[in-house]
Amino acid sequence: GAVVSQHPSRVICKSGTSVKIECRSLDFQATTMFWYRQFPKKSLMLMATSNEGSKATYEQGVEKDKFLINHASLTLSTLTVTSAHPEDSSFYICSARDVAGGPKTQYFGPGTRLLVL
Amino acid sequence: AQKITQTQPGMFVQEKEAVTLDCTYDTSDQSYGLFWYKQPSSGEMIFLIYQGSYDEQNATEGRYSLNFQKARKSANLVISASQLGDSAMYFCAMREGAAEAAGNKLTFGGGTRVLVKP
Repeated sequence: GAVVSQHPSRVICKSGTSVKIECRSLDFQATTMFWYRQFPKKSLMLMATSNEGSKATYEQGVEKDKFLINHASLTLSTLTVTSAHPEDSSFYICSARDVAGGPKTQYFGPGTRLLVL
Repeated sequence: AQKITQTQPGMFVQEKEAVTLDCTYDTSDQSYGLFWYKQPSSGEMIFLIYQGSYDEQNATEGRYSLNFQKARKSANLVISASQLGDSAMYFCAMREGAAEAAGNKLTFGGGTRVLVKP
């Protein structure tokens, strides 16, 4: 079946640095990708919807200048956590929809664990 | 108001027995889809089953079945013959709007942690 990859799977960085997370749809084109954040033992919270060739749509309360999203191609979306702080430590998961594959085709990447020291 | 509610934060189930995980949803859309995902400790989201709002039959996928009661706005997941490997977090999710639209997001419930006992 279709696959969504994420890189890196795990990252540790110092406070104040920026971290880029990549999300790729490997065998389908995704005009839209979604970025979720998950805290330990909590549910997935949508951060933003990434749109190919246009600006991302951010959920209420998500700082767009903090979490930069770029969707430069039909198979790649990136999330950059700028000036990361310890409270940004979390599990970030991307998702992409293979519209041609039918209504159930909502695929998730394996996630990226971010730890900010 | 919560769009997706999972009232069971955690539950134990005996191996080989069936377990039902509750999910209720709230939407005013006529067209929507309901999903169940399994999330083991590794964090990956594993698709289990899907039910479209216009589907007349309850969805089934192997040991998973979805008890869809549209009037009650519930979409409970039934796992039959539980296995030790079923121990994980389970999330119910809803996508509102037409299934053909790529931009419709998934909204998740709070999850239910299942622990299968040998």
